[in-house]
Amino acid sequence: GAVVSQHPSRVICKSGTSVKIECRSLDFQATTMFWYRQFPKQSLMLMATSNEGSKATYEQGVEKDKFLINHASLTLSTLTVTSAHPEDSSFYICSALPYATEAFFGQGTRLTVV
Amino acid sequence: KQEVTQIPAALSVPEGENLVLNCSFTDSAIYNLQWFRQDPGKGLTSLLLIQSSQREQTSGRLNASLDKSSGRSTLYIAASQPGDSATYLCAVRAGANSKLTFGKGITLSVRP
Repeated sequence: GAVVSQHPSRVICKSGTSVKIECRSLDFQATTMFWYRQFPKQSLMLMATSNEGSKATYEQGVEKDKFLINHASLTLSTLTVTSAHPEDSSFYICSALPYATEAFFGQGTRLTVV
Repeated sequence: KQEVTQIPAALSVPEGENLVLNCSFTDSAIYNLQWFRQDPGKGLTSLLLIQSSQREQTSGRLNASLDKSSGRSTLYIAASQPGDSATYLCAVRAGANSKLTFGKGITLSVRP
C-alpha cells in the first residue's frame, strides 16, 4: 500500500506556543489530504480537507485561524496549531487518497500542551 | 448526515475463537467502506476496502462483508490470536476523494 509519513509522533509544548505537524506522501502525489483529530476512546473527527495549491476546507466548528493548514506541494501538507492551549491536546492524524478510493493514514501525532 | 455505529465498544475473547465485528451506517448511498486497525497511540492501518458494488473482501484470516441496502458491514476474524488485540474501526465514504465517516471503533482483546 501507499505510505503516508507524519512527524513528529509526539510533541509537548507550552501553552501559547505554536506547533507544526507535517504529513508527507512518500510514494505518490496527493492533491488532497485530510486532517483528523481523535479524543480518547472517541472516533476520528475530520477537521479539514487540505487541497494542494488552494485554501483548505474546514469542517463546521473548526477554527481556521487556530488550525492553519498549508498544502504547498503534492507530497506535503502541514497543520500548525497556533497559540496552543491545554484543550488542544489530542491525537492528530492525516490521511491521503492515492487512488481516490482507499485511504492511507500517517502514524499520528500526540500533542500535549502544558 | 451519515452516522456509523459499532457495537459493542469492547470485546474480549479467548485465543482461537472466530469472531464477528459489526458496523452499521444510516445512509446506504456509500461509495465504499473501509475497515482499519488501530493500535494504542498509533495511526490507522487499512485492513480491507469494499467498493459499493462488492459484497465481500478477504485478506488472510480476515473477511469483510457489505450489505449496502441494509446499511451493514461485518468483519470476520478467523482463529483469533493475541496479536489481533487492537481497536477496529469501520468507515464509509460518500464519493471518490471525499472524507471518511468513522464509527467509534471496537476494542478487541484476545486472551492467550
